[in-house]
Amino acid sequence: QVQVVESGGGVVQPGGSLRVSCAASGFTFSRYHIHWVRQAPGKGLEWLTFILKDGNEKYYADSVKGRFTIFRDNSKNMLSLQMNSLRDEDTAVYYCAKDMGSGSYAFDVWGQGTMVIVSS
Amino acid sequence: QSALTQPPSASGSPGQSVTISCTGTSSDVGGYNYVSWYQQHPGKAPKLMIYEVNKRPSGVPDRFSGSKSGNTASLTVSGLQAEDEADYYCNSYAGRDTWVFGGGTKLTVL
Repeated sequence: QVQVVESGGGVVQPGGSLRVSCAASGFTFSRYHIHWVRQAPGKGLEWLTFILKDGNEKYYADSVKGRFTIFRDNSKNMLSLQMNSLRDEDTAVYYCAKDMGSGSYAFDVWGQGTMVIVSS
Repeated sequence: QSALTQPPSASGSPGQSVTISCTGTSSDVGGYNYVSWYQQHPGKAPKLMIYEVNKRPSGVPDRFSGSKSGNTASLTVSGLQAEDEADYYCNSYAGRDTWVFGGGTKLTVL
């Protein structure tokens, strides 16, 4: 069964840091690019960042550039998102999403998400 | 990286067809044939319904179809069913390895 499972969400104070993770199974993790997408409470989806399958290149939305870092460990089928200098507006459910591959530029497998709350 | 524009809501009766629009710019929707659509039921993860403008992943009913003209993409749901009631989001590749979502459309089956 192809799946990704996020973990690591929680409550953090403004200015603080948190790392969320994504465990992949059921597919050859090292062959696919992976994305993080978030959804603030009652709001729409926002694409955040993307890492190539070999981990050598990473791209970010302007809203998180310089504060968030995506990285992966293909030996452990794990993806992580290190979030620093967190702000109130970073409060959201964070989803890990597998890139469909084959140049389709779509996200075909999503996790259930992990909730991050930034609050004092 | 401005969000794509979708109508906040859409509705239709069972059996009818409804079309949801998604308007971007020549830098995203108009510039690439990489528009995808996602269905999200309350409290659930998004589900891929359409990719590359008009392709359906395995398992998605053929009642769902996509198209694009210029800077506007569209999702059409034909033969509306109660289970189609959900939020729908469009997404487009926006160049330089970035993507952008629409604001979402709440589809109500009357």
